[in-house]
Amino acid sequence: GNSVTQMEGPVTLSEEAFLTINCTYTATGYPSLFWYVQYPGEGLQLLLKATKADDKGSNKGFEATYRKETTSFHLEKGSVQVSDSAVYFCALAPSGGYNKLIFGAGTRLAVHP
Amino acid sequence: GAVVSQHPSWVICKSGTSVKIECRSLDFQATTMFWYRQFPKQSLMLMATSNEGSKATYEQGVEKDKFLINHASLTLSTLTVTSAHPEDSSFYICSARVAGISTDTQYFGPGTRLTVL
Repeated sequence: GNSVTQMEGPVTLSEEAFLTINCTYTATGYPSLFWYVQYPGEGLQLLLKATKADDKGSNKGFEATYRKETTSFHLEKGSVQVSDSAVYFCALAPSGGYNKLIFGAGTRLAVHP
Repeated sequence: GAVVSQHPSWVICKSGTSVKIECRSLDFQATTMFWYRQFPKQSLMLMATSNEGSKATYEQGVEKDKFLINHASLTLSTLTVTSAHPEDSSFYICSARVAGISTDTQYFGPGTRLTVL
């Protein structure tokens, strides 16, 4: 079946540190991959996405590359800010349908000044 | 951007009562809305897909008679937890899908925390 596994949090970093949040997936076919972010008290927001192998999604300094050979979609940012503190969810949409998003458990990021 | 609201944001009820949660798309119309459930430190689990003017499609293992979904208009879907019990306590999240020629995105509400005593 389809599933998403992401690293457990919380991840605690100092401002300007490098961020990596690992995400691996299991899926049949060719899923689309997503990173969502949830700030305190708000709904999930799409951060970036990639729809095929070797695609790189990027937004707000965050990047993730769709690696089919390692079934991974790791989230990275070169220099985090306090305002990046949030919960990050990796997700996939099975091939053929955006309707069903399958989420990882979420990783809480805390950035300190 | 597109905004989805949920009401209430939190609710506490007694066991055996029913609770209704509303999901509204504030500045756009959504033919499809989704309802998710999230347990502490766990993934969002899709419960059902709600299409305006038709019956909801429930995921395997979700009791449709317990979780009643109504999508009466293009901006409103409701989830009613009937005869709630403590095991129904959870965080319920809705999303609204916008699909067009060049876009296909889900916009999420902030969630509703249900506590059943």
